[in-house]
Amino acid sequence: EIVMTQTPLSLSVTPGQSASISCKSSQSLLRSDGKTYLFWFLQKSGQSPQLLIHEISSRLSGVPDRFSGSGSGTDFTLTISRVESEDVGVYYCMQGGRLPPTFGQGTKLEIQ
Amino acid sequence: EVQLVESGGGLVQPGGSLRLSCAASGFTFTNHWMHWVRQTPGKGPVWVSRINPDGSSTDYADSVQGRFTISRDNAKNTLSLQMNDLRAEDTARYYCARDFFWNAPDCWGQGILVTVSS
Repeated sequence: EIVMTQTPLSLSVTPGQSASISCKSSQSLLRSDGKTYLFWFLQKSGQSPQLLIHEISSRLSGVPDRFSGSGSGTDFTLTISRVESEDVGVYYCMQGGRLPPTFGQGTKLEIQ
Repeated sequence: EVQLVESGGGLVQPGGSLRLSCAASGFTFTNHWMHWVRQTPGKGPVWVSRINPDGSSTDYADSVQGRFTISRDNAKNTLSLQMNDLRAEDTARYYCARDFFWNAPDCWGQGILVTVSS
């Protein structure tokens, strides 16, 4: 199975600053059809995960444009510009292109 | 409003069985693949199983293959997970989840706790 590794495991930022989370996969996520099924989720305390971004960089409806995704192959990044208090929680990357779908171990974002 | 509500969890002894159910509402159930995903405290989610819209195709994580069975009743908008030969390592919160695109769920239930312990 594809192993997803996130860094850092925790991140503390001041409101208004930017935060970046790295996600590396053990194999390239680029498929022969040219697609890359890399997703980002946020899990707030006591809640279920919520999908933020699909296919590396496409935000779901309602997700603020402060959230952006980038990357290719095995290296991906979630960037949150102008962090707000509501962004606190654990962020997970996930690959869905090969079974089994696999998640990273999570990055906890805190506000200073 | 899209809703997924799990039930059927609880405490079971090693080797025992449980059946989880998930009641779906607020969307066209028959249009979506559905998943079960589990999570232990402080860890990332772990995919367990998926089923296609008409129930004819299923897939499982290696760790549950042969012990768990996913099914759905499209007439009742219900997803199920039959769990047999349960082990301590199956202890987790189990989520029912609707597939958005390529195995990424966009809607999750609140989860149900399963504890396997003697």
